[in-house]
Amino acid sequence: GQNIDQPTEMTATEGAIVQINCTYQTSGFNGLFWYQQHAGEAPTFLSYNVLDGLEEKGRFSSFLSRSKGYSYLLLKELQMKDSASYLCAVRATSGTYKYIFGTGTRLKVLA
Amino acid sequence: NAGVTQTPKFRVLKTGQSMTLLCAQDMNHEYMYWYRQDPGMGLRLIHYSVGEGTTAKGEVPDGYNVSRLKKQNFLLGLESAAPSQTSVYFCASSSIEAGIVDEQFFGPGTRLTVL
Repeated sequence: GQNIDQPTEMTATEGAIVQINCTYQTSGFNGLFWYQQHAGEAPTFLSYNVLDGLEEKGRFSSFLSRSKGYSYLLLKELQMKDSASYLCAVRATSGTYKYIFGTGTRLKVLA
Repeated sequence: NAGVTQTPKFRVLKTGQSMTLLCAQDMNHEYMYWYRQDPGMGLRLIHYSVGEGTTAKGEVPDGYNVSRLKKQNFLLGLESAAPSQTSVYFCASSSIEAGIVDEQFFGPGTRLTVL
């Protein structure tokens, strides 16, 4: 089967660092995406990994280990506006354009 | 650029009624998708299209039909709505340009309630 696991909720303090984990079991792998979704809004793209290692984009970084079926999203210098759901999505097989989404991690940033 | 737009934003239907949700994108993207999002379930793919005139089933296609007569539009139809189809529906599009990350661009969503 195809499965993506993320923690349901996390809480962190403004200015801190938080790591959101994602583990996946899919038939084939051709890229992992992270999206941010504020309550009542559409998801927006944050980052993409297809090779092992770390991708950094300002306050956000994403890491991938294909052998372990594992990724994390690292958010630094947390701000109140980072309170949102973070969705992990895997493009399961090369040549197809179907994406499998995790259920999302709801992050609450406290003052 | 408007990006991806969806019509309507909200709708309430009675069981058995039909309706069409319209998605439009102005980014000249080849790929378009319809998802539904339910609490605790994440985004689930209903149908998708890899180009004008082509459609394919996703994870949860039953009870829905789609059409892609023009590249910029992707329509989702519910022929006979059921309460289980109460959900938030998102349309998305993405590019297939070589060397470009094929991130999906999402519309604002349609909140559908079936009574």
